[in-house]
This record gives sequence, structure tokens and C-alpha cells, in this order.
Amino acid sequence: EVVLTQSPDFQSVTPKEKITITCRASQSIGSSLHWYQQKSGQSPKLLIKFASQSFSGVPSRFSGSGSGTDFTLTINSLEAEDAATYYCHQSGVLPLTFGGGTKVEIK
Amino acid sequence: QVQLQESGPRLVQPSQTLSLNCTVSGGSITSGSYYWNWLRQPAGRGLEWIGRIDTSGSTNYNPSLKSRVTISLEKSKNQFSLKLGSVTAADTAVYYCARGRSSGWYPDPWGQGTLVTVSS
Repeated sequence: EVVLTQSPDFQSVTPKEKITITCRASQSIGSSLHWYQQKSGQSPKLLIKFASQSFSGVPSRFSGSGSGTDFTLTINSLEAEDAATYYCHQSGVLPLTFGGGTKVEIK
Repeated sequence: QVQLQESGPRLVQPSQTLSLNCTVSGGSITSGSYYWNWLRQPAGRGLEWIGRIDTSGSTNYNPSLKSRVTISLEKSKNQFSLKLGSVTAADTAVYYCARGRSSGWYPDPWGQGTLVTVSS
């Protein structure tokens, strides 16, 4: 199976900061990499599909890049409501797999 | 817009079978090119894909669970279901159902999730 390794595991940031989360795949998955946001007690919500395509209704401060094995989620000008755990997910190869998550705390 | 809702027993005895249903509203489970997925998340941990079924009834399962899992469509009820056999405490988790498109496979949208505890 494709193992997705996210870093960092945890990041504490102040509002208006910019953060970058990385996701590395154990084998090439093209652009079949997607990003989800999960707030406490809620189900995951899709942010970015196919590495760089913003999902409908997602604020423009969220962006994604990458292909092959290395991917990045960037959140510009962080807001308090962005406190959540972020997961990368690959759909290029079965079984579908997820990264371990990056918890973002707002100071 | 499509919405999904999980339902089923919240407490299951060890060695028994966990059974959940996912009711789909806002669209037919048999129309379009979609996959219907089950996923789970143990408390404080990451997400695990259990398996999926397409509109024709063809299934794919996570090899780590394949020997214990059955996913099926209940077309008359616009539902799909999950059965996980021989459960242990390690199967305690929030279980989610989610739709996936045939073009991309990524799950969206998701149900709100239901916590299932395996305990005697």
C-alpha cells in the first residue's frame, strides 16, 4: 500500500501566519493526492483535490502543490477558524490511504 | 445536495459482528458513477479506509480487513451497509460513510460519523 508521511505532526501558530504542511508518498501517485480538514468532533471536509485544485467553497488562503511523491498544503494568513487537523489522502492506488495528520493550533 | 447518515448499534460484544447502515438522501444510490465508502477513525488517531462498493455492486476492501468485511447495497432503502465480523476492542472507532466519484475516488461528502464501541 502507499504510505503517506506528513510533517510536521503538530504546529502552533499565531493568526495571520503562513504555514506549510508536507506529505510524502512512498511511491509515485501522480496528482491523486487530496487534502482534508477535520475540526474537533466533525467529519473531514475536502479542501484540495488532485494536489492543487481548490474544492468548491474553500477559502482562497488554502492552496496545494506537488506531484509524484511530494506534496504541500499551504495556508496563508491563518485565521482562528483554521484550528484543525489536516490530512493528506491518496486515491491513486488501492487501498486508499491517509497521512497521519497535522494538528494546527492557533495561539 | 447529497447527505449521508450512519446508523446502527453503538455497542458490540467482542467476537460478534458490527453492522452499520448508511442512508443516502438527496440522490439515488444507484444513479451516477459513484463509489460508496466506509472508513473509520479510532479515538485520537488517523483515518483508515475499510472498503467501497460501486453502483453495480462491485466491491473493493482494504486487505488488512478483507477477511472480516462485507459491504452491500440496499437499493430499495437507498442505503449501503457494512458488516465487520469477529470484532475486538481494536475495532472501536468512529465509523464514517462517504461517497466517492469514479473520476478521482476521493471521499466527499462524508456522514457525520458514529462511534461504535466493542466491549463486553
